[in-house]
Amino acid sequence: SQELEQSPQSLIVQEGKNLTINCTSSKTLYGLYWYKQKYGEGLIFLMMLQKGGEEKSHEKITAKLDEKKQQSSLHITASQPSHAGIYLCGAAGGSNYKLTFGKGTLLTVNP
Amino acid sequence: ETGVTQSPTHLIKTRGQQVTLRCSSQSGHNTVSWYQQALGQGPQFIFQYYREEENGRGNFPPRFSGLQFPNYSSELNVNALELDDSALYLCASSLGAGQAPAAFFGQGTRLTVV
Repeated sequence: SQELEQSPQSLIVQEGKNLTINCTSSKTLYGLYWYKQKYGEGLIFLMMLQKGGEEKSHEKITAKLDEKKQQSSLHITASQPSHAGIYLCGAAGGSNYKLTFGKGTLLTVNP
Repeated sequence: ETGVTQSPTHLIKTRGQQVTLRCSSQSGHNTVSWYQQALGQGPQFIFQYYREEENGRGNFPPRFSGLQFPNYSSELNVNALELDDSALYLCASSLGAGQAPAAFFGQGTRLTVV
């Protein structure tokens, strides 16, 4: 079965700093999804990457997919306290009907 | 668009009891998936329902069961609750069988088993 490993597990940054979260898959990625979650709440969809080399941006968040490395990265530029939360990557793998998730990265942004 | 809504938001049950969680899918969506998220973990796939039939199941025992209704809303039932069933339960909806529901998740139901 597919496994996703996220790094780091947690991250504390000062407001205004840039940061990167990584997600590495044990198997070929057929689609990679990034979500944000506030503690105890539902998942907020950020973006989906489907092709190797694909890069997408939403406001100050950019995600890239390196299909050969079976890896994706999420980069936040000039972080703000509103970026704080848990970031989760999910992958469809070879089975379209379910998503496999990483354990998440807890981001704290200090003002 | 009304979004995906779940009820209740929180509940506390005693070990051995049964519980039913409810999910209303995004307008126009005919597929619902359920996930369990334990504290500090990523969500784990429980099962998916498409047009009132189970369309895939994760590694969960039979005491986890579901239903989907003609209006595509769904229920997750858990019998003989165990302490380890304490978790956030998430549902997600999508259009079409076999489609991983990427974009539309509900706010979750926090289940505590004591």
